[in-house]
Amino acid sequence: QKEVEQNSGPLSVPEGAIASLNCTYSDRGSQSFFWYRQYSGKSPELIMFIYSNGDKEDGRFTAQLNKASQYVSLLIRDSQPSDSATYLCAAGGNSGYSTLTFGKGTMLLVSP
Amino acid sequence: EAGVTQFPSHSVIEKGQTVTLRCDPISGHDNLYWYRRVMGKEIKFLLHFVKESKQDESGMPNNRFLAERTGGTYSTLKVQPAELEDSGVYFCASSRAGTTDTQYFGPGTRLTVL
Repeated sequence: QKEVEQNSGPLSVPEGAIASLNCTYSDRGSQSFFWYRQYSGKSPELIMFIYSNGDKEDGRFTAQLNKASQYVSLLIRDSQPSDSATYLCAAGGNSGYSTLTFGKGTMLLVSP
Repeated sequence: EAGVTQFPSHSVIEKGQTVTLRCDPISGHDNLYWYRRVMGKEIKFLLHFVKESKQDESGMPNNRFLAERTGGTYSTLKVQPAELEDSGVYFCASSRAGTTDTQYFGPGTRLTVL
């Protein structure tokens, strides 16, 4: 049974701070990892994806992957109130077509 | 470029009735996925089409669920007869041909079975 675990939160940070979101995954065969942001009542929106060990930066967002520890994280620098949402971590497979295994999501609250 | 669209946005039906959900993927996307989120749980995979063919339907909960993608364009997901536990948000996602290409999600259909 493939699983992705996330702390449900809420994670509360003040505006301008760094928010750190984490997830772990159970399937060592997972090769691709995705962070989606979901506002209440809206569709999941892709923030970042990462396939290789290490860090990947895109603007205020940095995704980190450690396959040995089966750990993925998302850092949000200079957090803004508009970043307040639920962040979903998802793992994709390693062969053929990739269906996604999602965590339950972490709610992030950024206070002004 | 239009995103993934789903219809209806909400559906409230009684136990035993039939409901059909529709998904229109992004134009040109061969891969189409259905997912479901039950309250309090994570989003879970239901099935995957590549064009008109079912690539993987391992997540379909039972034979009350029937998905089709005639012509490889839009897809429908029929629940017949609906049960209380079928309530949740049904998401559709699509991606271009390829293995780990990004999946783009639609807004979802919130299904409530009374």
